[in-house]
Amino acid sequence: AQSVAQPEDQVNVAEGNPLTVKCTYSVSGNPYLFWYVQYPNRGLQFLLKYITGDNLVKGSYGFEAEFNKSQTSFHLKKPSALVSDSALYFCAVREGGGGNKLTFGTGTQLKVEL
Amino acid sequence: ETGVTQSPTHLIKTRGQQVTLRCSSQSGHNTVSWYQQALGQGPQFIFQYYREEENGRGNFPPRFSGLQFPNYSSELNVNALELDDSALYLCASSLRGIADTQYFGPGTRLTVL
Repeated sequence: AQSVAQPEDQVNVAEGNPLTVKCTYSVSGNPYLFWYVQYPNRGLQFLLKYITGDNLVKGSYGFEAEFNKSQTSFHLKKPSALVSDSALYFCAVREGGGGNKLTFGTGTQLKVEL
Repeated sequence: ETGVTQSPTHLIKTRGQQVTLRCSSQSGHNTVSWYQQALGQGPQFIFQYYREEENGRGNFPPRFSGLQFPNYSSELNVNALELDDSALYLCASSLRGIADTQYFGPGTRLTVL
C-alpha cells in the first residue's frame, strides 16, 4: 500500500526567508509525486509533480521540490517566502505503472509572517 | 482556476437522507476522480470514472456510488447519510495517461445533522 507522511503540522517562516515543507513516501513501485496547495474553503491547486528524470522539479509560483530516492523524500522548497504563500500544503503519491488513485498526506500549514 | 466546477457549494442534510453532488470536468479531460476531505485531514480517494465506468475504488462502502456521463461530467451519490459523512467532497478531472495530473474543483461542503 502506498502512503505519505508530512511530519510537520505547521511550519512558520519569516517573509523573504527560504521555506521547506517536508514529505516522505512509501510505494511498492516507482513513485509519481505531487504537491498541491489549499487556501481556506477552496479546492486543491496543483503546484508541481515528479515523474522521472531530474531530481529537482520546478513548479508554479516559484516553488520547487527535490526528489530523493534513497531517503524516499520529496520536500517542497521556495528560496524566498511571501506572506501570500500562507496556506495548507499537501504532498501526494501515486504508484507508477497504472495506479489511479492519489494518496495524500495529512497536510502542513505554512504560515509566513512579516 | 482549473475549469473544474462543482455544485452545489454547500449542502445540509439529515442523517438517513440521500445526496447527489455534481462535477463538470475541465475541457479535454476524460477522467473524473472523487475524494472526501474530512476536517483537518488530507483528501481520501473514493473512486474514479473513465469512459463512464468505475475505474478504481477506495475504502468506501457501497452506499457511495457514482456516474459519469458521455460529456465526462460526473455525479457522486451517497445513500443513508451518516454524521461522519460530513466533509468537503472534491472532484478532480484529468486526461488519462501514465502520469496524468488531477485538477481539482472547489468542492462541495456537506453537513449531515
